Amino acid sequence: QKEVEQNSGPLSVPEGAIASLNCTYSDRVSQSFFWYRQYSGKSPELIMSIYSNGDKEDGRFTAQLNKASQYVSLLIRDSQPSDSATYLCAVIMDSNYQLIWGAGTKLIIKP
Amino acid sequence: DAGVTQSPTHLIKTRGQHVTLRCSPISGHKSVSWYQQVLGQGPQFIFQYYEKEERGRGNFPDRFSARQFPNYSSELNVNALLLGDSALYLCASSLGGVGSPLHFGNGTRLTVT
Repeated sequence: QKEVEQNSGPLSVPEGAIASLNCTYSDRVSQSFFWYRQYSGKSPELIMSIYSNGDKEDGRFTAQLNKASQYVSLLIRDSQPSDSATYLCAVIMDSNYQLIWGAGTKLIIKP
Repeated sequence: DAGVTQSPTHLIKTRGQHVTLRCSPISGHKSVSWYQQVLGQGPQFIFQYYEKEERGRGNFPDRFSARQFPNYSSELNVNALLLGDSALYLCASSLGGVGSPLHFGNGTRLTVT
């Protein structure tokens, strides 16, 4: 069973602090990893994609990938109340192009 | 450029009825995927189409079907609706290559009574 695991939260972080979101996946040969943000009642919005081990930065967001340990994380610096949402991790685990999704972590940024 | 557009935005149907959901991809995107999302869960994969051919199918019953048209738009059809089909149905488009990020529409909220 191919799985993507996330802590459901909620994760509460003070405004201005760093929010750290984690995701583990079961298939060692996975190659493509994505973080999506989803506000309540809305559709998922792509934040970051990462394909190689290491860090990838985009503005306040940094994605970190460690294929040996089979985890991918998302760091949000200088957290803002508008960052409060559910963050979904998604992984393409094999060549059939299908994304396997985690259940999401609910993030709450407290002013 | 216009994003992924879905119609309708909301729909209320009765058990046993049939429903058709529609999706237009981002211009230049040749792949369309359909997902079902229930509250508190991640999206569940239903279908993916690329260049009008079915590329993948998730673990959904045969009551669910889809197709992609020459202009790359797509329809999702659900027959014999059940209460459990109530969900947010998401359409996503991508360029279609392995690892291509998905871009989602605003979804269709289906309620079955």
